[in-house]
Amino acid sequence: RKEVEQDPGPFNVPEGATVAFNCTYSNSASQSFFWYRQDCRKEPKLLMSVYSSGNEDGRFTAQLNRASQYISLLIRDSKLSDSATYLCVVPYNTDKLIFGTGTRLQVFP
Amino acid sequence: EPEVTQTPSHQVTQMGQEVILRCVPISNHLYFYWYRQILGQKVEFLVSFYNNEISEKSEIFDDQFSVERPDGSNFTLKIRSTKLEDSAMYFCASSERDGGNQPQHFGDGTRLSIL
Repeated sequence: RKEVEQDPGPFNVPEGATVAFNCTYSNSASQSFFWYRQDCRKEPKLLMSVYSSGNEDGRFTAQLNRASQYISLLIRDSKLSDSATYLCVVPYNTDKLIFGTGTRLQVFP
Repeated sequence: EPEVTQTPSHQVTQMGQEVILRCVPISNHLYFYWYRQILGQKVEFLVSFYNNEISEKSEIFDDQFSVERPDGSNFTLKIRSTKLEDSAMYFCASSERDGGNQPQHFGDGTRLSIL
């Protein structure tokens, strides 16, 4: 299994749709997980941290399944401004972050 | 909101030259990092730095690379004898505690172009 694996997409969805992204990881020792958002040619920006089974922040819900080494991100009521690449990020060792290749989301009117 | 700042935003350099990329981490953060992203590829870890020494480095971070915290605010990445394949976006990040459990906050990057 790859260190961090994501479906690259793109996911093309209409405004208002619900969309889910999946991520699998290989390091069973990882305790925390992150979703970052990256706009084209910009820096990664933290979207959510996941420390236990899941986390919810407004329209965004992250879920963690440690047994399956799987993390998901659900976006409800998609907005045009949600169009970006979503990066699944997993720490390896104490402070090294391993990034997935990202899943590209395009929300259309 | 405090942020990580990086300079310059774009650096163009002839192959074989040395470059220094600069970063000012968030002021109360103790852990500092450099990542790079080659165009169209994923973000890759280069090095982490804590308590004035490297705590971890990747295979990419060979003798061509070095990091330094020359004063209380700056954190620099030096690349010697640059190669064409060093062309990438370089991101600095910082975290309050060790970045395995605390989110790392990224600067807006330096685009390095090697000619």
